[in-house]
Amino acid sequence: GQNIDQPTEMTATEGAIVQINCTYQTSGFNGLFWYQQHAGEAPTFLSYNVLDGLEEKGRFSSFLSRSKGYSYLLLKELQMKDSASYLCAVIPMSGGGSYIPTFGRGTSLIVHP
Amino acid sequence: DGGITQSPKYLFRKEGQNVTLSCEQNLNHDAMYWYRQDPGQGLRLIYYSQIVNDFQKGDIAEGYSVSREKKESFPLTVTSAQKNPTAFYLCASGRGINTGELFFGEGSRLTVL
Repeated sequence: GQNIDQPTEMTATEGAIVQINCTYQTSGFNGLFWYQQHAGEAPTFLSYNVLDGLEEKGRFSSFLSRSKGYSYLLLKELQMKDSASYLCAVIPMSGGGSYIPTFGRGTSLIVHP
Repeated sequence: DGGITQSPKYLFRKEGQNVTLSCEQNLNHDAMYWYRQDPGQGLRLIYYSQIVNDFQKGDIAEGYSVSREKKESFPLTVTSAQKNPTAFYLCASGRGINTGELFFGEGSRLTVL
């Protein structure tokens, strides 16, 4: 089976930097996504990592280490609107060619003034 | 504008009734997915379809049924056999190959009275 772990909740201060970690154990690896989800809304895509290293996109960056089964999402210059749930999703390797992202339970980030 | 549309956004159902949630996409995506989201549980896969006229069970398919008669449409029926159907249901689509993110609909919140 697939196992994806993220912290349940984190808090941070407006203007600060926060790092949300995700560790995974999957049968093979085809990529890792990070999504942001505000309460009662659809998840929105943030980043996609398939190779090791850091991908930067504005205030958000995502890092991947395939050998360690580890990723993190880095949020800089935090804003109140960044308060949301952050979902880590991994695409395991499938011999049948199916492409099925498996999601972690999400990390609820609370940004306070 | 291309996108993925779910309806209804809110739905109330009495115990013992079947209900069908609609999901339509005009992104020309081959793959479509249904996830269920409960508090603290993350997204759990109900059914997925990689191509028209074919679909596969996910991790929690019991009590649900789907069809994929058209590329654009992937409706989900929550049957009376589903023991705990109150949840937030998310439909997603993707290119279904080894790249690319999933695009999500806005979700349907089902409450069983």
